[in-house]
Amino acid sequence: NAGVTQTPKFRILKIGQSMTLQCTQDMNHNYMYWYRQDPGMGLKLIYYSVGAGITDKGEVPNGYNVSRSTTEDFPLRLELAAPSQTSVYFCASSYPKEKLFFGSGTQLSVL
Amino acid sequence: EDQVTQSPEALRLQEGESSSLNCSYTVSGLRGLFWYRQDPGKGPEFLFTLYSAGEEKEKERLKATLTKKESFLHITAPKPEDSATYLCAVQGDLTAGNTPLVFGKGTRLSVIA
Repeated sequence: NAGVTQTPKFRILKIGQSMTLQCTQDMNHNYMYWYRQDPGMGLKLIYYSVGAGITDKGEVPNGYNVSRSTTEDFPLRLELAAPSQTSVYFCASSYPKEKLFFGSGTQLSVL
Repeated sequence: EDQVTQSPEALRLQEGESSSLNCSYTVSGLRGLFWYRQDPGKGPEFLFTLYSAGEEKEKERLKATLTKKESFLHITAPKPEDSATYLCAVQGDLTAGNTPLVFGKGTRLSVIA
């Protein structure tokens, strides 16, 4: 009964480094999402996908890339990490128009 | 642009002291209003979905209500374990160009024994 699994849980990057945040779900959900959460700022949508092969930008997509080659996986790629990308990242999945199931988050620091 | 405003930002209650959290929203073509609970260091956990004005849902000490402009999360006789951040989010009509689930900043609730 895994639900939405995110890895890693914590990561420290140096400015300019790249990394991929992994997200996988086992509920056969069509929709998947990436949010970032900064202290006191709520959740901001980075990218989302309505199915394999389809992705779209959210509110704060700059500096990130995504791909959706399978229903289960939705990795988030950070290219040239910047201090402004220090945040907690949440992956989520859902059926259309239904509640989101969230992963436990990845805490990322860029120094 | 969809907007969600939650108030107050933080709320401190004595155990048993009932209160309400507010979520004001603007969205074109509301498809659903969602309430989530988030504990420190964890992902949000689903509480309720409301779809139309006048709808109400209850779960234990929590009751959510919806009007055309706002939603309330009523907490009756809260206990310390109700302490968490409560998030409100709205889903507009995706075919009208809305992005999925716009979240408010949350209300941080502390219940003191």
